[in-house]
Amino acid sequence: GQQLNQSPQSMFIQEGEDVSMNCTSSSIFNTWLWYKQDPGEGPVLLIALYKAGELTSNGRLTAQFGITRKDSFLNISASIPSDVGIYFCAGRLGNEKLTFGTGTRLTIIP
Amino acid sequence: NAGVTQTPKFQVLKTGQSMTLQCAQDMNHNSMYWYRQDPGMGLRLIYYSASEGTTDKGEVPNGYNVSRLNKREFSLRLESAAPSQTSVYFCASRDTSGRRTDTQYFGPGTRLTVL
Repeated sequence: GQQLNQSPQSMFIQEGEDVSMNCTSSSIFNTWLWYKQDPGEGPVLLIALYKAGELTSNGRLTAQFGITRKDSFLNISASIPSDVGIYFCAGRLGNEKLTFGTGTRLTIIP
Repeated sequence: NAGVTQTPKFQVLKTGQSMTLQCAQDMNHNSMYWYRQDPGMGLRLIYYSASEGTTDKGEVPNGYNVSRLNKREFSLRLESAAPSQTSVYFCASRDTSGRRTDTQYFGPGTRLTVL
């Protein structure tokens, strides 16, 4: 099946720092999604991208749909303690099936 | 609205036992999904249902069966549990009736351990 490589696997940052993570695919998608998962809960959608080159923001979060349609990027500016969690990218080509990345675990060092 | 609910939250089974994981949504969504999440891996799709009365295999369907009982409920059954099925199982639903309807609403998960 399709593979999504997400990097980095984990990040340790200080409060206030900016965060960047990315996702690359072996094949193209026509939708890219970014989710956040808090401990003990299901993932929650942060940003959805529908067009190659699209740049979309949601508060301090900004995500981009790569031009090649095989990658996507998520940036978090001025991180705060509640940003801690696991961030997943996901891609969709058809109408139903999402392929998820392996996740980036974000930890904020006091 | 309760959103997506799952029962049970935790379960321990012995190898060979059977059980059914229950999922219900009260948002009148057409599509429902079952995923499993293993350490260090993303969510992998087991089965999905695009509408009441239809089900399709996902990426990892072996060892599982599903039933879309009605529009609200989508159950996942393990007929003969194996240790490899130890995982956290998430149910999700999505409204596919409009444009750009990508928000999948996830339940809180079921933590299953097979001994």
